[in-house]
Amino acid sequence: TQLLEQSPQFLSIQEGENLTVYCNSSSVFSSLQWYRQEPGEGPVLLVTVVTGGEVKKLKRLTFQFGDARKDSSLHITAAQPGDTGLYLCAGARGNEKLTFGTGTRLTIIP
Amino acid sequence: DAGVIQSPRHEVTEMGQEVTLRCKPISGHDYLFWYRQTMMRGLELLIYFNNNVPIDDSGMPEDRFSAKMPNASFSTLKIQPSEPRDSAVYFCASSLQGWYGYTFGSGTRLTVV
Repeated sequence: TQLLEQSPQFLSIQEGENLTVYCNSSSVFSSLQWYRQEPGEGPVLLVTVVTGGEVKKLKRLTFQFGDARKDSSLHITAAQPGDTGLYLCAGARGNEKLTFGTGTRLTIIP
Repeated sequence: DAGVIQSPRHEVTEMGQEVTLRCKPISGHDYLFWYRQTMMRGLELLIYFNNNVPIDDSGMPEDRFSAKMPNASFSTLKIQPSEPRDSAVYFCASSLQGWYGYTFGSGTRLTVV
């Protein structure tokens, strides 16, 4: 059973457009992280959110943690080809291990 | 800091052979995690260690898989005998404190033919 479902699974858009990807669960998480993974490399941490309703911005990326701490979203403004990659959300329910989501594979077309 | 170092980067082996994957965590990190990534199942946790002690191995698929961490700077994941369904990318990650501050290695792409 996959605890964290991400949508969409695949997304291909033109450079300059905006997009949102979602991470949903029926379980409550104490914290949630977003990672980006490029081909041939391991995932790289982008952000950690820990408080329900929390919003964090990283340049053109905006991350939000749901009020009930069961879901999260990642919004990218004016997408660039360098944003291409696999985006993974990951939740922690204890204080040790992470459970990763199903992933969203994003392609930005120049 | 060199980050988490995994070796080899690629491994091709025949079914039935023993495979050993290696990981050197970041110095000072107390946690070490082994994950497997496939298109079908995504990123799955296999086992993790805290201060060299295995804490949770519930993700290890079966007895053919074993992992050790003999000291703070080295861990191995062994598959014996290997099967084609074991083909995947295997990642090692280390962290300072549980889920906080995960750093992944570049992975080992395993192909069993």
